[in-house]
Amino acid sequence: EVQLVESGGGLVQPGGSLRLSCAASGFTFSDSYMDWVRQAPGKGLEWVGRSRNKANTYTTEYAASVKGRFTISRDDSKNSLYLQMNSLKTEDTAVYYCARSVGGHDYGGLGVLDYWGQGTLVTVSS
Amino acid sequence: DIQMTQSPSTLSASVGDRVTITCRASQSISSWLAWYQQKPGKAPNLLIYKASSLQSGVPSRFSGSGSGTEFTLTISSLQPDDFATYYCQQYNSYSPTFGQGTKVEIK
Repeated sequence: EVQLVESGGGLVQPGGSLRLSCAASGFTFSDSYMDWVRQAPGKGLEWVGRSRNKANTYTTEYAASVKGRFTISRDDSKNSLYLQMNSLKTEDTAVYYCARSVGGHDYGGLGVLDYWGQGTLVTVSS
Repeated sequence: DIQMTQSPSTLSASVGDRVTITCRASQSISSWLAWYQQKPGKAPNLLIYKASSLQSGVPSRFSGSGSGTEFTLTISSLQPDDFATYYCQQYNSYSPTFGQGTKVEIK
């Protein structure tokens, strides 16, 4: 059974930092692309960024709204994905989800999110 | 970024109704569109990918169609478990984007 479990959320002041973790199981994490998606309270879904796998040199991509402030990393030996968030703003308040990102022939392009974690809430407030 | 616009934003329907949700892209995305269902307090759940392919385990009353810039999600006979918010998502570009969501409410 595929499982994604996020942790690390909490209350942080504007300008502060926080590191989220996502523990994966039930699939070959090292072969997988992984995304972070967030959802502000009462709002829609916003893609945050992506980590490619080792075969693609672990390259990352980010939404313009977080580029330069957020960093995605992973530890394949621990089946874990991370989101380091710096210079946090009140508008970063959201539930943050990690999700497995799939693509290829069956899906067409890359970026179908077939498994999601339960999310972790980040609140940026003074 | 490619903008995704869903309509309507809210839809009131009864059990057994046929329901259609529309998603429009600001530029052509071929068939690289997915649909998700989200219930309150829960993570989104993948329903449809590549515009019309049903994800494993999703009931056959859900179907998707379209290509280019206009897409639809149809629920052939609405069930009590289907009252939720639905999101479309394009994955044609390196920066995926979602529609604003359509909430399906009980009439």
